[in-house]
Parts: sequence; structure tokens; C-alpha cells
Amino acid sequence: EAGVAQSPRYKIIEKRQSVAFWCNPISGHATLYWYQQILGQGPKLLIQFQNNGVVDDSQLPKDRFSAERLKGVDSTLKIQPAKLEDSAVYLCASSSIHSGNTIYFGEGSWLTVV
Amino acid sequence: AQSVTQLDSHVSVSEGTPVLLRCNYSSSYSPSLFWYVQHPNKGLQLLLKYTSAATLVKGINGFEAEFKKSETSFHLTKPSAHMSDAAEYFCVVTLYSSASKIIFGSGTRLSIRP
Repeated sequence: EAGVAQSPRYKIIEKRQSVAFWCNPISGHATLYWYQQILGQGPKLLIQFQNNGVVDDSQLPKDRFSAERLKGVDSTLKIQPAKLEDSAVYLCASSSIHSGNTIYFGEGSWLTVV
Repeated sequence: AQSVTQLDSHVSVSEGTPVLLRCNYSSSYSPSLFWYVQHPNKGLQLLLKYTSAATLVKGINGFEAEFKKSETSFHLTKPSAHMSDAAEYFCVVTLYSSASKIIFGSGTRLSIRP
């Protein structure tokens, strides 16, 4: 079974530029999550999708962050414009009730804003 | 309300000695509990999970954890530490029947002394 795929793995941008991250969850997983993990901290949930609907985006800075999962499969997370404090790892994860709601993580997309 | 507390931010043990990483949880419902490991510059890997079956759960790489409802604990143990175990460990709690609320502990950094 293929895992959660993320790209790009690494990205360096200047502040005020934009960036987009892509995630392809495990096949058949209805729930998809985007987490932000700042160095030295635990992951923080940015947004959770159930199929193509948003379940929780309460911690998503909506003035600069956006995410979509139009067809209920893969997803894109966008930051525009980026700030220095957005430097972090962006983790995508997926889960399914058929796998006991275990969350499976991708390798992460490492963003550095300079 | 759900919460999870990892009691130690940093644990250091000698190679070959036992490992104990402590986790306490609070949940109004039957919880699912997980331990994830994160090696440097890597994503989160599932070590083991508890979902209301056997209270002693065995995971990968010789780790195991015991769910103790009376103590609201889910401590992670390993009889003999290996240098490759050096990593960050996260305790996670979710609702049993829904993935809508996932709470991460703050993480415990495990260091292994030669």
C-alpha cells in the first residue's frame, strides 16, 4: 500500500512570495489533514477534510493560507503572502474509519521563508 | 474535553537500558491512543496504537505501551534502548468513533548515550 505522498519536499522562498504544497493521501482514505510543525514543537492542525468538505479549519490563518480538496482525493495547501514565521514543516496525513482512524503521515514539505 | 500530557520533554538513557516515556490523557469518551516517532528531518511514523482491544499493545522496533484506564496513562516502554531509537516521540489521543478531534502531546525527545 502506497503511503501519503507530498511535494515538494523542500522549498525556500522570500517573504511575501507564495508557495503551494500538494498531498496525495492513501487510496480510499476519506479524511485528509494538513498540519504545521514548527521546529521544536508538536504538529498543529491547520485544516481537516472529510472527502471534499472542510471539517475543521479553526486554526488556519485564512488571511494568507488556503487549502482545497476539490475531488475528495488529493489536496493543495497554499500560502500567500508568506511570512518569516511560516517557516515550518507542513505535514499531510490521512485516515479512514476502515483502518481504525489511524493517522498516516507523509514525509512533510519543509518550508523556509527568508 | 480531551487532552494529552507528555510528562517529560527530554529523556536520556544509556544504550542497552530500559526506556520509559510517559503519557497521561484526559478524555470524556473511549479514547484511541497512539504513539508516533519522528526521526530528524522525517515525517511521523506510527509506533503502536490502542483502540479498546488488549490493554498491552506491542508496536514496532520492540516498543510497547500499556493502557491503564484507572491511571489514565499510556506509557511507552522498551526493554533495551538502541542508538537508532534517538528521536522525538509523540503521544496522540483521538475519539474512538471519530477522527474529528486529534490531540497531540508536546513531544518527548529521547537521547541515547553510548
